[in-house]
Amino acid sequence: NAGVTQTPKFRVLKTGQSMTLLCAQDMNHEYMYWYRQDPGMGLRLIHYSVGEGTTAKGEVPDGYNVSRLKKQNFLLGLESAAPSQTSVYFCASSSPSGRDSFGPGTRLTVL
Amino acid sequence: GESVGLHLPTLSVQEGDNSIINCAYSNSASDYFIWYKQESGKGPQFIIDIRSNMDKRQGQRVTVLLNKTVKHLSLQIAATQPGDSAVYFCAENFGNEKLTFGTGTRLTIIP
Repeated sequence: NAGVTQTPKFRVLKTGQSMTLLCAQDMNHEYMYWYRQDPGMGLRLIHYSVGEGTTAKGEVPDGYNVSRLKKQNFLLGLESAAPSQTSVYFCASSSPSGRDSFGPGTRLTVL
Repeated sequence: GESVGLHLPTLSVQEGDNSIINCAYSNSASDYFIWYKQESGKGPQFIIDIRSNMDKRQGQRVTVLLNKTVKHLSLQIAATQPGDSAVYFCAENFGNEKLTFGTGTRLTIIP
């Protein structure tokens, strides 16, 4: 199993540009999550999904959108990137009774 | 709001000694706790978990202790090795789909 994979690994955007981060998992997990991690801070939940076709807001959802069209994929979109969105983004998945498995992260810089 | 906090942001331990990383939580309804290890440039990796009906759980070289009276969680690492150098996060769950993460403790092993 590949576990949780994320693409791309690195990206540099200019302010106002848009992009989509892709997360894929092959563990048949129901739940999927997008977090951001900033220096000196823990992981903060952006959006999450408890099943195909469902999404919900987390702690810091503003400026992001998500979609879960397929159970194995969870997309995170930035419609108009801002420098404050410079961060490392982690995707995770879990079963309802299990612990989160994390992807390797996407390092995003917004200039 | 409810949060998970750590007593110490950094910890330096001599190789071969035992390490103890502490975590305080404030939500008395939390019923599931996880410790994660994050190495530089990687995603968090599950170490050990514990449910609120237990006060101790042991893994390979790691032990998690839960004191519900004072809302305190600790991770003990026995015979610390250079590969244990990382940031350690505790996370709590209070009966829903989401985890709340602490800010992390950086563990440095002194040769």
